[in-house]
Amino acid sequence: QVQLVQSGAEVKKPGASVKVSCKASGYTFTNYAMHWVRQAPGQRLEWMGWINTDNGKIKYSQKFQGRVTITRDTSASTAYMELSSLRSEETAVYYCARDLGRQFLVVDYWGQGTLVTVSS
Amino acid sequence: EIVMTQSPATLSVSPGERATLSCRASQSVSSNLAWYQQKPGQAPRLLIYGASARATGIAARFSGSGSGTEFTLTISSLQSEDFAVYYCQQYNNWPPLTFGGGTKVEIK
Repeated sequence: QVQLVQSGAEVKKPGASVKVSCKASGYTFTNYAMHWVRQAPGQRLEWMGWINTDNGKIKYSQKFQGRVTITRDTSASTAYMELSSLRSEETAVYYCARDLGRQFLVVDYWGQGTLVTVSS
Repeated sequence: EIVMTQSPATLSVSPGERATLSCRASQSVSSNLAWYQQKPGQAPRLLIYGASARATGIAARFSGSGSGTEFTLTISSLQSEDFAVYYCQQYNNWPPLTFGGGTKVEIK
């Protein structure tokens, strides 16, 4: 069965960086793209970026351009999202989420979420 | 960036009744519209894509319709497990992919 297992909760100070991992299993990693989506408490879902896990092509939301880096390690079937210069309002649950295909742009499986708390 | 607006923010419905949720796009997204269900403390679950295609394993009581800028998710007969927040998402123009603000379906 498809599983996306994310790394554990993080507490960071403002200005710091966080890197979240997402290990995929139960399917061929390179056949499906991966998205990163976040959700602040009580807020809507917010798309951060996408990676084609086969060829490494990446697209980011302009809102995060320059601060977010999405990578993947195909040998480990793992995707990563690193966000720098964190602000307190970026306390949120960060999800990795599998695309329906390589560029369907709809998510069919989600990780369990990683709570990132930004606080001084 | 395409802005997605959902209405109402909260919908109070009795079990067994029909629920109709709306989603409007700030410009045409053709039929590139998905719906997700999210329960407290859980990740979202895909219900509908392509405006009207049910995702794998989704019950027939969930149906989607619309195209262009106006979309509807209908739950024909609400079950206890359907009380949740529902989000629409457009994938016609990207980046970014954008989500609506959600409709909370609560028990009347």
